[in-house]
Amino acid sequence: QQPVQSPQAVILREGEDAVINCSSSKALYSVHWYRQKHGEAPVFLMILLKGGEQKGHDKISASFNEKKQQSSLYLTASQLSYSGTYFCGTTGGKLIFGQGTELSVKP
Amino acid sequence: GAGVSQSPRYKVAKRGQDVALRCDPISGHVSLFWYQQALGQGPEFLTYFQNEAQLDKSGLPSDRFFAERPEGSVSTLKIQRTQQEDSAVYLCASSPGPADYGYTFGSGTRLTVV
Repeated sequence: QQPVQSPQAVILREGEDAVINCSSSKALYSVHWYRQKHGEAPVFLMILLKGGEQKGHDKISASFNEKKQQSSLYLTASQLSYSGTYFCGTTGGKLIFGQGTELSVKP
Repeated sequence: GAGVSQSPRYKVAKRGQDVALRCDPISGHVSLFWYQQALGQGPEFLTYFQNEAQLDKSGLPSDRFFAERPEGSVSTLKIQRTQQEDSAVYLCASSPGPADYGYTFGSGTRLTVV
């Protein structure tokens, strides 16, 4: 029931792009994305409510493929501030989080 | 308030001691959630309130865990007879409604059972 995220970890140089994937074995109602920095609370990034929806702000965007039960988070032209652990969360009632993807952006 | 407030920030308990963790959600937020986060893991669902009603407590690990939100605002998570495996960060989150909204998390309470 827990969504599966890939990759588990990624290291980038500033300015590089990354994609984080989230997939579920169950039908998805919606997908949330959060970022958590070490020792801090998870911070809400965005929610996707229906299949085919794409959202974004700044250089972070996401898509939701309802049929494939997948969502992807796209980070373009990464900045040092993007470092942290990214979690997807899937709902079918309560929000269940994936195991996280640790993203490190180096200068 | 401006954000979700949790107290205490840190708690050290001796094994067998009872603890109470407090969560003060954003004013007007209907939904309140408790999660447990072990080091290096994603938050794991414990329980969910809509106003004062506890709609889902399926994630509570044992009957030593109890949560309440008597007036539909502040919530307390109580753990009786703490065990070492209870050591974790306990996160509280609130949202304006039960679905279709992002969650705002508090900074958490780090519980260490010794």
